[in-house]
Amino acid sequence: KAGVTQTPRYLIKTRGQQVTLSCSPISGHRSVSWYQQTPGQGLQFLFEYFSETQRNKGNFPGRFSGRQFSNSRSEMNVSTLELGDSALYLCASSYDIARGNSPLHFGNGTRLTVT
Amino acid sequence: DAKTTQPPSMDCAEGRAANLPCNHSTISGNEYVYWYRQIHSQGPQYIIHGLKNNETNEMASLIITEDRKSSTLILPHATLRDTAVYYCIAGGYQKVTFGIGTKLQVIP
Repeated sequence: KAGVTQTPRYLIKTRGQQVTLSCSPISGHRSVSWYQQTPGQGLQFLFEYFSETQRNKGNFPGRFSGRQFSNSRSEMNVSTLELGDSALYLCASSYDIARGNSPLHFGNGTRLTVT
Repeated sequence: DAKTTQPPSMDCAEGRAANLPCNHSTISGNEYVYWYRQIHSQGPQYIIHGLKNNETNEMASLIITEDRKSSTLILPHATLRDTAVYYCIAGGYQKVTFGIGTKLQVIP
């Protein structure tokens, strides 16, 4: 069974631009979560989608948004990029996080550098 | 999710068992204990999880105390490839929150 796939693996953007990151979950998984990881803040929850609906959201500004498609694939978008948005963005899928007995399976992330 | 407390770092000799503790004293009765690890520049990897019984899989064993307020992840024969940051999570019903984890260094 294929794992979680994130594209692209690396991305360089300039301040003010926007970016879209993509995540393909494990087949059969319906929940997709996004995390931002930086050296100073660690792993921080961005949002979680289930059946095309955002079910939970972390404490990030509205510049960070996401969506989930009917095939469970997900995208996240960051608009008006700032230098502080440079980070590793991780996607995780699970069968259904709300069940409590459903581990997260992570992709290897997209490394975003904002210059 | 319940708050967890882990030591920031630990060393373990190669070939010996690595025992990583986690305190989750505020865990509720229906919250699971999960362990993940992250090797540099990769996404976190799921290791094992449990509710109240001890669990074992090909990677590790999970020992949960009877009162469920703490747990221990056991890597039975640590190798250099087990050097990583290990995260203990209690909960999982809502947004999953990762702490700083334990940086395990396996020493040759």
